[in-house]
Amino acid sequence: AQSVAQPEDQVNVAEGNPLTVKCTYSVSGNPYLFWYVQYPNRGLQFLLKYITGDNLVKGSYGFEAEFNKSQTSFHLKKPSALVSDSALYFCAVRDRGGATNKLIFGTGTLLAVQP
Amino acid sequence: KAGVTQTPRYLIKTRGQQVTLSCSPISGHRSVSWYQQTPGQGLQFLFEYFSETQRNKGNFPGRFSGRQFSNSRSEMNVSTLELGDSALYLCASSLGVGNNEQFFGPGTRLTVL
Repeated sequence: AQSVAQPEDQVNVAEGNPLTVKCTYSVSGNPYLFWYVQYPNRGLQFLLKYITGDNLVKGSYGFEAEFNKSQTSFHLKKPSALVSDSALYFCAVRDRGGATNKLIFGTGTLLAVQP
Repeated sequence: KAGVTQTPRYLIKTRGQQVTLSCSPISGHRSVSWYQQTPGQGLQFLFEYFSETQRNKGNFPGRFSGRQFSNSRSEMNVSTLELGDSALYLCASSLGVGNNEQFFGPGTRLTVL
């Protein structure tokens, strides 16, 4: 079965420092991976996706993610964190088994950026 | 272009009642998916519709049902509400089925008393 894991419930980082939010995956076949962000009382906003191609994927708001097949990881990164980046981040994998948009989400990581 | 809209945004019901939630996808999008978000279970897939057909269903009891109309708008219904149904219900729309990103609405916060 497809799954993703986010090992950290919370990540704390100072404004201006680089940030990393970790995600590992377990899939059969080639993974289709996504990152979403959720601000309080809001829905999820798409940040970026990996389908195929370059292992470094660039997304919205200066975020990028690195796909690492050997380590089965898809960590989210940003070179310089902003206080406004504080939010809940979800890693997701698209389910297999035919044409579907079904996403399987990780448990989420709360990012707190201190000024 | 308007985003995904969900109505109502907040809802309070009592146990045993039923509820209907509505989702209007982005114009031109034909795929709609529903997710339930709770602190304990996280984000869980409910169902997926494309061109009025349910393509996929999550592991939820039969009290949870949905449908999609010819204009791609979708509704989900929960009958005989239980306390555990309290959650944020999110709708997501996509152009089609496959590798397209999904765009989420703000959600409907359902509280069951």
